[in-house]
Amino acid sequence: GAVVSQHPSWVICKSGTSVKIECRSLDFQATTMFWYRQFPKQSLMLMATSNEGSKATYEQGVEKDKFLINHASLTLSTLTVTSAHPEDSSFYICSARAGQGSYTEAFFGQGTRLTVV
Amino acid sequence: GENVEQHPSTLSVQEGDSAVIKCTYSDSASNYFPWYKQELGKRPQLIIDIRSNVGEKKDQRIAVTLNKTAKHFSLHITETQPEDSAVYFCAASTPGRRALTFGSGTRLQVQP
Repeated sequence: GAVVSQHPSWVICKSGTSVKIECRSLDFQATTMFWYRQFPKQSLMLMATSNEGSKATYEQGVEKDKFLINHASLTLSTLTVTSAHPEDSSFYICSARAGQGSYTEAFFGQGTRLTVV
Repeated sequence: GENVEQHPSTLSVQEGDSAVIKCTYSDSASNYFPWYKQELGKRPQLIIDIRSNVGEKKDQRIAVTLNKTAKHFSLHITETQPEDSAVYFCAASTPGRRALTFGSGTRLQVQP
């Protein structure tokens, strides 16, 4: 199947700093990518939809100024957690669906475990 | 927007028994229903999916059923094995909104 690569796999940062997470589709082009957040033993909650060449669409309750998303090319989307605080500590995971059809499989990156200290 | 509910939250079965996980969805426009398996610390992996124009789909020990009228779908795993132990998520999406909405997950434990 298609491959989505996410980097870094884990990161520890100090409170108040910013962290950038990259999501790449390695063998297909993705006009749309999705960013999820997963708390321990909980489900994947959609944060935003990343659209190539345009602004991201954020879910209700997600601060767009805190979670900056850039989708500069058809294979790369980045999520920057700005001015991180301990409550931002979580597992962040990206996803992309190959093609435009309604029934295409969603592939996931390996996730990034963010710890803010 | 779409809401997906999943039950049970935990399920423990003996090796060789069957396991059933059930989900309901709210948006009647939803037309794609995948199931994902997630092992601890790993990415979710698709195990089976079903389209809205299909009532049942089977792949070896795994099957999914869909009842569009009742807006619910179920995952059936037969002859469970210890390596089936993981968290399983159901999901749904609509044609206009390609993001998946996930259920809350079911932690399946298969006892040897």
